[in-house]
Amino acid sequence: GQQVMQIPQYQHVQEGEDFTTYCNSSTTLSNIQWYKQRPGGHPVFLIQLVKSGEVKKQKRLTFQFGEAKKNSSLHITATQTTDVGTYFCAARSSGSARQLTFGSGTQLTVLP
Amino acid sequence: DAGVIQSPRHEVTEMGQEVTLRCKPISGHDYLFWYRQTMMRGLELLIYFNNNVPIDDSGMPEDRFSAKMPNASFSTLKIQPSEPRDSAVYFCASSLFGGTGNTIYFGEGSWLTVV
Repeated sequence: GQQVMQIPQYQHVQEGEDFTTYCNSSTTLSNIQWYKQRPGGHPVFLIQLVKSGEVKKQKRLTFQFGEAKKNSSLHITATQTTDVGTYFCAARSSGSARQLTFGSGTQLTVLP
Repeated sequence: DAGVIQSPRHEVTEMGQEVTLRCKPISGHDYLFWYRQTMMRGLELLIYFNNNVPIDDSGMPEDRFSAKMPNASFSTLKIQPSEPRDSAVYFCASSLFGGTGNTIYFGEGSWLTVV
């Protein structure tokens, strides 16, 4: 089945520093979604990327979809303590259009 | 609008007991998912339904786990008998095919501890 590798697993940054998490697949993805889970909370949808090379921005967050549609990244500029949480990428399984495969997540800690 | 509603939010039970987790998906959504989250294994898809019909239960760990969706507004995940290794957060989620980019909306989770 579809496998999505996400790195790094953990990241500690000082407030104000930038942060990036990467998601990689061995197969071409139809689309990729990003979710954020706050400590003690549930995953919440952030964005979906569909087109090759697509770049989307949400304030300090920049999402990219690779040209080959096999990788994606989430970059946060000038992190704040409110950015703390685990960021997951999720991609469609090749076996089913409705089954999302989640990456292992990157747990971000922002030190004040 | 009400989101995905799960109950109980927290449950502590003794090994060997039956556990039933409940979920009410977002009204109108035609897909329902059960996920399990642990530190060791991350977020795992256990089973999902489309229009109340189970489509893929390959993620269900073993026969102790069962899930039902008797109607469009209710689903259960049952563990019988429960074991300490079942301790995890169980998320129910729902989605509307073709809607809002097929976003999956998660409930707040049921935190299960088996002692």
